[in-house]
Amino acid sequence: KAGVTQTPRYLIKTRGQQVTLSCSPISGHRSVSWYQQTPGQGLQFLFEYFSETQRNKGNFPGRFSGRQFSNSRSEMNVSTLELGDSALYLCASSLGRTGNTEAFFGQGTRLTVV
Amino acid sequence: AQTVTQSQPEMSVQEAETVTLSCTYDTSESDYYLFWYKQPPSRQMILVIRQEAYKQQNATENRFSVNFQKAAKSFSLKISDSQLGDAAMYFCAYRYTQGGSEKLVFGKGTKLTVNP
Repeated sequence: KAGVTQTPRYLIKTRGQQVTLSCSPISGHRSVSWYQQTPGQGLQFLFEYFSETQRNKGNFPGRFSGRQFSNSRSEMNVSTLELGDSALYLCASSLGRTGNTEAFFGQGTRLTVV
Repeated sequence: AQTVTQSQPEMSVQEAETVTLSCTYDTSESDYYLFWYKQPPSRQMILVIRQEAYKQQNATENRFSVNFQKAAKSFSLKISDSQLGDAAMYFCAYRYTQGGSEKLVFGKGTKLTVNP
């Protein structure tokens, strides 16, 4: 069974540009969550999508957005990039049911904003 | 607000020895799950062990075990017979349900070094 796949693995962008990151969940998983990981703030929750609907959102500005497709693949978009957006972006997939379900993580996309 | 605190930014252990990583959390929920994740240099977060809050028995997975003290809101990870491959960042995480959605809250992590 293939794991969670994130593309690209590395990305370098310039301030003011926008970027789109992709996450393909494990087959059968309907929930995809996104996290931002930085040395200073640690892992912070961005948002969660389930069946193409955003179910939950963290405390990030509107420049951060996402969507989920009918095949459960998810994309997150960051517009008007700032230096502080440099981070490792992780996505996690799960069945999405409450209860004893496990979240599986991808290897992340390392975004560097210069 | 739900928070997770890992008070040890770094820990080191000798190979074959035992080490305990600390974690405390704050919640008003009664039903939740606790996890320890390992993140090696490859960056992939790997689930090490999980604990259901309603279970009094401490979870064990081979060399990994937890000491879950619900009243004290403490959830420490014990690694026995440490191996070089255990070197990684370890994150304690708390999962709760809000509005039908599950959210994971992570601690800041503990960097574990294993010395040969």
